Amino acid sequence: GENVEQHPSTLSVQEGDSAVIKCTYSDSASNYFPWYKQELGKRPQLIIDIRSNVGEKKDQRIAVTLNKTAKHFSLHITETQPEDSAVYFCAASGGYNKLIFGAGTRLAVHP
Amino acid sequence: DVKVTQSSRYLVKRTGEKVFLECVQDMDHENMFWYRQDPGLGLRLIYFSYDVKMKEKGDIPEGYSVSREKKERFSLILESASTNQTSMYLCASRSSGVETQYFGPGTRLLVL
Repeated sequence: GENVEQHPSTLSVQEGDSAVIKCTYSDSASNYFPWYKQELGKRPQLIIDIRSNVGEKKDQRIAVTLNKTAKHFSLHITETQPEDSAVYFCAASGGYNKLIFGAGTRLAVHP
Repeated sequence: DVKVTQSSRYLVKRTGEKVFLECVQDMDHENMFWYRQDPGLGLRLIYFSYDVKMKEKGDIPEGYSVSREKKERFSLILESASTNQTSMYLCASRSSGVETQYFGPGTRLLVL
């Protein structure tokens, strides 16, 4: 069935360092790949997304890259700040307008 | 701004009780979703609906049912709550023309 694997499950970095989270997906028909950020006690919120006709997308300190051949995509956060600390979820589009989510990465940014 | 609300932030129920979780969105979205969130498992889709009175099973529908009588409201029903249904439940909605899903604040359900 459709599956999204996400690594690592936890990530600890020093403020100012970069953080990279990687996801692989199984359904070659997937064409939409969003990333959500969930702060403690809050709802998941979309931070960036990419469609299959694009290889990379940037928004200030965050970027997402997509390799359709290898079926993997990654989130890159540069110059991390303590407020980047959260759980990050990747997802891939599935059939019937569904999203298939990864298990999440807990990012801790230490001052 | 899209607003998705859920009827309760916290609920405590007893085993065997019938539980109703409600979700309301104010953006005329056609599609609505119910997920449960458990540590290490991410967000797993329980049921979704792409129109009034329409519903589709997600990945983990067992023990749950849903109701969508009005476009703005999507209810998740636990017919007979069990302890393994203790979880965070998240509702989401999206427009058919846009892929972005918008989430509600979640309901943390404890079944004793």
